[in-house]
Amino acid sequence: LAKTTQPISMDSYEGQEVNITCSHNNIATNDYITWYQQFPSQGPRFIIQGYKTKVTNEVASLFIPADRKSSTLSLPRVSLSDTAVYYCLVAGGTSYGKLTFGQGTILTVHP
Amino acid sequence: GAVVSQHPSRVICKSGTSVKIECRSLDFQATTMFWYRQFPKKSLMLMATSNEGSKATYEQGVEKDKFLINHASLTLSTLTVTSAHPEDSSFYICSARDKALMRDRVMNTEAFFGQGTRLTVV
Repeated sequence: LAKTTQPISMDSYEGQEVNITCSHNNIATNDYITWYQQFPSQGPRFIIQGYKTKVTNEVASLFIPADRKSSTLSLPRVSLSDTAVYYCLVAGGTSYGKLTFGQGTILTVHP
Repeated sequence: GAVVSQHPSRVICKSGTSVKIECRSLDFQATTMFWYRQFPKKSLMLMATSNEGSKATYEQGVEKDKFLINHASLTLSTLTVTSAHPEDSSFYICSARDKALMRDRVMNTEAFFGQGTRLTVV
């Protein structure tokens, strides 16, 4: 399973755009990049997934360069309720169905 | 999105007793469910893969006789922590994949997680 590396923590302020970058140098051809959000004492919640280029949904955008060795989760205009841990995962292909969580990024949004 | 329900949300038990945690997919069928454990300020660690109609697959270092998993139907998996000890106190989380979505094995990596169960062994 591909290993991911992301910053341990980030701080931001309400209304700002937040970009969290994740490295996954040994991503496999069949792997997809997926991001989850977790609030304290809750299970993770799916945010977005992508394979290459850019993906956007109502919550976030995901930017993936051509070599796919990294990805950036972009959260537009964060609010206090976006304070959470964000996990970057790669999954699919032979690892399908089994998710390996890295350390995650603790995002703290300040007033 | 699809809903996965865990019960109970928190439980306190005495050392030496057993505790059962249920994981249900409410509006979809799940051939496979996963059980994770999460210690404070740590990431989720996969404990085992629960397969409907067959034996669970445990990750290295997880005692199968201590953490009994039963996947009795396409919507229910249970995790029983047997002879619990204080070091088993943790946050246990299950997840499930929609059987229908799994037909397309590459395209969708979305998993649905339960709300977690906080186990405290005293």
